[in-house]
Parts: sequence; structure tokens; C-alpha cells
Amino acid sequence: EAQVTQNPRYLITVTGKKLTVTCSQNMNHEYMSWYRQDPGLGLRQIYYSMNVEVTDKGDVPEGYKVSRKEKRNFPLILESPSPNQTSLYFCASSPWGLAGGSYNEQFFGPGTRLTVL
Amino acid sequence: DAKTTQPTSMDCAEGRAANLPCNHSTISGNEYVYWYRQIHSQGPQYIIHGLKNNETNEMASLIITEDRKSSTLILPHATLRDTAVYYCIVRAVGTASKLTFGTGTRLQVTL
Repeated sequence: EAQVTQNPRYLITVTGKKLTVTCSQNMNHEYMSWYRQDPGLGLRQIYYSMNVEVTDKGDVPEGYKVSRKEKRNFPLILESPSPNQTSLYFCASSPWGLAGGSYNEQFFGPGTRLTVL
Repeated sequence: DAKTTQPTSMDCAEGRAANLPCNHSTISGNEYVYWYRQIHSQGPQYIIHGLKNNETNEMASLIITEDRKSSTLILPHATLRDTAVYYCIVRAVGTASKLTFGTGTRLQVTL
């Protein structure tokens, strides 16, 4: 089954304790992205990657890192989490990439609910 | 990407057609209209998209006005499982693939 998976689905942690949220897709998509969703603010893009070893900042990259060493994985790293990073996080993938695209849809993972105390 | 305007909420009786409007009066010629939905804190789900012709798939139909300044997503026989927030998004072809979600329309399907 074509899908985007995220782990963990739920995480409660404390300020300053480094964490990684994994994202994996099995559709051979070039493009992957991370969003966060907060009440009243909608979905905001954190980072995106057009292909392996190609990443770029989205709208709210501060406090986050990403890497794209292989096509299927795009982990989100919080080096020193803070309470304002408490949020619902979504990973997404799409066939868009360096080849360009027209009207392909984005596939979203199930979400990771993160609480930073 | 062009700005979109949607009603905040709508109700629909189960089994009836749900018609969700979207206004995108500043849409430009190379911009497509996309619809996504999000069922209570799940990941957003792509529904349908179109440029200027009406489109239909197994989930929904998309009607775009001739001047392309507005569109309507139609769920022909709404079920309780269609209760969700529906997002209308307008974006250009070939640009960076970020999707900008607005506040959407909260559709409540009732018995």
C-alpha cells in the first residue's frame, strides 16, 4: 500500500531533550515536506526537500533541522525542543521534484502529536 | 498563489449532495484549483483538482466557473465519514510545491 508513515505518532518530552521524528514514504517520490499545524494558524511548512541531499527552508524553520540522505526518508530533528514547538506535525510527499510537475497531489502522513513540557 | 475565500462552516444531511463553494477571484491563468480535506487531526487528503474544465473522480466533482473566479466541490451523496474541514487551494504549475492551507470550510454531515 502506498503510504507515508511517521513515528512516533505521539510524543511527550521535556525542554532541551533532542528528538527525531521519522518520516518514510514507499512511493519513490522525490519531494518531501514537513508541516506543523496549530489551532488558528493552519498548516505551515517547516522544511522541504526536492530530492536527495537537497533541502530548503519553509515558512517556519527555526528550531528544526532535516536531512535527506535517501529518497524514502526525511527525518525532522529538534535539537533543543521548546514548549512553542508543541504541535501536530505532518510529513508529506509528492512526485513533484526537479523534473517539475503540474497537478500531482501531495500524500500526507498520519501526523505526530508532540508535546514539549 | 491566489487567495481563496470559503465559508467557515456548512451542514449537510447524510445522503444529500454537499456543495462547497470557493471564491478565487484573483486566480491567474496558470493556476489550478485543488481541494483537500482533513478529517479530525488526520493528515490532509487530496480530493480533486482542475484548471478550467469540470472534473469528476470517485470522490467528488469540481465545477469551475467559466471566468475561473470561483468553484464548487460537490460530494454527491455525503456520508457521516465526509465530516471534515475542506480546503480550497489555488496554486501555479511548476512552482515550489508548498501547499498553503487557509482556514477551510468545516462540513458537518448529520443524520
